[in-house]
Amino acid sequence: GESVGLHLPTLSVQEGDNSIINCAYSNSASDYFIWYKQESGKGPQFIIDIRSNMDKRQGQRVTVLLNKTVKHLSLQIAATQPGDSAVYFCAENAYSGGGADGLTFGKGTHLIIQP
Amino acid sequence: GAVVSQHPSWVICKSGTSVKIECRSLDFQATTMFWYRQFPKQSLMLMATSNEGSKATYEQGVEKDKFLINHASLTLSTLTVTSAHPEDSSFYICSAGKGGNTQYFGPGTRLTVL
Repeated sequence: GESVGLHLPTLSVQEGDNSIINCAYSNSASDYFIWYKQESGKGPQFIIDIRSNMDKRQGQRVTVLLNKTVKHLSLQIAATQPGDSAVYFCAENAYSGGGADGLTFGKGTHLIIQP
Repeated sequence: GAVVSQHPSWVICKSGTSVKIECRSLDFQATTMFWYRQFPKQSLMLMATSNEGSKATYEQGVEKDKFLINHASLTLSTLTVTSAHPEDSSFYICSAGKGGNTQYFGPGTRLTVL
């Protein structure tokens, strides 16, 4: 079936540096994309989302970029902090007439912030 | 806000027993709730979509007779793992939607089957 995948399973970044986490998706019908942060033993925490009619969206220290041509999604975290250490998942779904579908998650990237 | 709770947060049971997990939307009504399963060091996998007042929709490969879902009200969905076995040990996470694409996740329930 169609899936959302990631290029890198682990990313180590120096504290204060910027980090970029990448994600590829395959479902061309997807129109909504989300990045989640998950700490050990906890549920996913919403970071930022973007709809298919946009190619960039910014939040506090985070930016999501969407390239529909190559079906690529990225999450940029600026000035990383120790608290940013976690596993990051991209997810996608499509909104059908009956409501939102369940999310398809990527494999996850473990972001490690080194002091 | 949009807070989703789960109960219990963790449970240990003997093989062959049944376990019920609750998912509640605390400050909003959720017409749709979703159940996910996450094995260690893996991603979340959608198990089923729970719609209030109707039967759940299960993803391919998920046994509906083993994972019973009841969405009795707009704020509560339950997942019952029947005749649990060690391979059912996992982290079960629910999410709830208000309408539209956004889903709000619960804190998860760690199930360990001995």
